[in-house]
Amino acid sequence: KAGVTQTPRYLIKTRGQQVTLSCSPISGHRSVSWYQQTPGQGLQFLFEYFSETQRNKGNFPGRFSGRQFSNSRSEMNVSTLELGDSALYLCASSLSPDRSSYEQYFGPGTRLTVT
Amino acid sequence: KNEVEQSPQNLTAQEGEFITINCSYSVGISALHWLQQHPGGGIVSLFMLSSGKKKHGRLIATINIQEKHSSLHITASHPRDSAVYICAVLSSGGGADGLTFGKGTHLIIQP
Repeated sequence: KAGVTQTPRYLIKTRGQQVTLSCSPISGHRSVSWYQQTPGQGLQFLFEYFSETQRNKGNFPGRFSGRQFSNSRSEMNVSTLELGDSALYLCASSLSPDRSSYEQYFGPGTRLTVT
Repeated sequence: KNEVEQSPQNLTAQEGEFITINCSYSVGISALHWLQQHPGGGIVSLFMLSSGKKKHGRLIATINIQEKHSSLHITASHPRDSAVYICAVLSSGGGADGLTFGKGTHLIIQP
């Protein structure tokens, strides 16, 4: 099976712009989670989607949003970019959000640089 | 205070040494994950456990739910084990939580 794929892999944007990142989960996986990784804060949970519905959301401002499509592919959007949004954005997929079987498979990440 | 604490933060060892990385957490959990991240960013899930012990090749993970503590052991370490090892927990409580991560242990194995 193909792994989790994320596009683009690298992105440079300017403050104030918006960006959309894409994640395609492993075939058959219906749950997609997004994470932000920065040198200062480490890995932080952004949100989780299952069956096109946002199930959980981390402590991030409303500028961060996402959605999931019927084929389980997910996108996340960041509006009005700030310098502090520069980070590695990772998505992870799992078969379901069932907490007793929460094995997650991570994508390679999208490295976003905001200038 | 971070809910998940890892120690040590940095570890340099010689090839062949037995390695132990520790993780302590402060919340009730339904599962604990050990992750490996190589330079370049890719993350691999090594273990998911909620009790006892798991072994995969040279890697062993243990968890003590009562003491809220987990350890990752690497036997016969090799330079290819050099990576950042991250502990993450899934809270058993209600609320909007995904995984909560430790800051990671940066491991370097010298030949």
